[in-house]
Amino acid sequence: EAGVTQFPSHSVIEKGQTVTLRCDPISGHDNLYWYRRVMGKEIKFLLHFVKESKQDESGMPNNRFLAERTGGTYSTLKVQPAELEDSGVYFCASSQAYPSDTEAFFGQGTRLTVV
Amino acid sequence: AQSVTQPDIHITVSEGASLELRCNYSYGATPYLFWYVQSPGQGLQLLLKYFSGDTLVQGIKGFEAEFKRSQSSFNLRKPSVHWSDAAEYFCAVGATSGNTPLVFGKGTRLSVIA
Repeated sequence: EAGVTQFPSHSVIEKGQTVTLRCDPISGHDNLYWYRRVMGKEIKFLLHFVKESKQDESGMPNNRFLAERTGGTYSTLKVQPAELEDSGVYFCASSQAYPSDTEAFFGQGTRLTVV
Repeated sequence: AQSVTQPDIHITVSEGASLELRCNYSYGATPYLFWYVQSPGQGLQLLLKYFSGDTLVQGIKGFEAEFKRSQSSFNLRKPSVHWSDAAEYFCAVGATSGNTPLVFGKGTRLSVIA
């Protein structure tokens, strides 16, 4: 069974440009999460989807970030326009809806560098 | 609010030596606790988890962790470290279930020397 996959693995863009990150969760996982790790800091929660609905987006830093999950399958995270402080590693994770004593499976992450 | 503290940023151990990575959490109820590992170029891999029951949990790769409610700790241990264990280790806490967003510690980088 395929795990959580993220594209691209690395992205280097200039300040002001747009970047779109993609996450393909494990098939059948209703929960999809985005996290971000800025260098030297902890991994922080950004957003949680249940199927195609945003369950919790309290971690989204500002309105330059837009996440979608059309059809409840893969998700995209768009940063527009990118700023220097957006650099970091963006992780995606997915988990089953039930049972509750389950765990999230993480992708390899996308390393975003804004120059 | 939940929080996780990993007091050690970087630890170096000799191959074959024992290892203990510390994790303290702050949460009002009994949390769901996890240890993840990230090897270079890899994603986050779950080592072990605690939801309820036996407070000593066994994980993959010979790791174990003990939940101590009185100390709000969930320390990770391994009796004999291998060079392939060099990686970054993250402790995380979830709230009401395993499929709610996690709060992570800052991570502990483990180096293994011969």
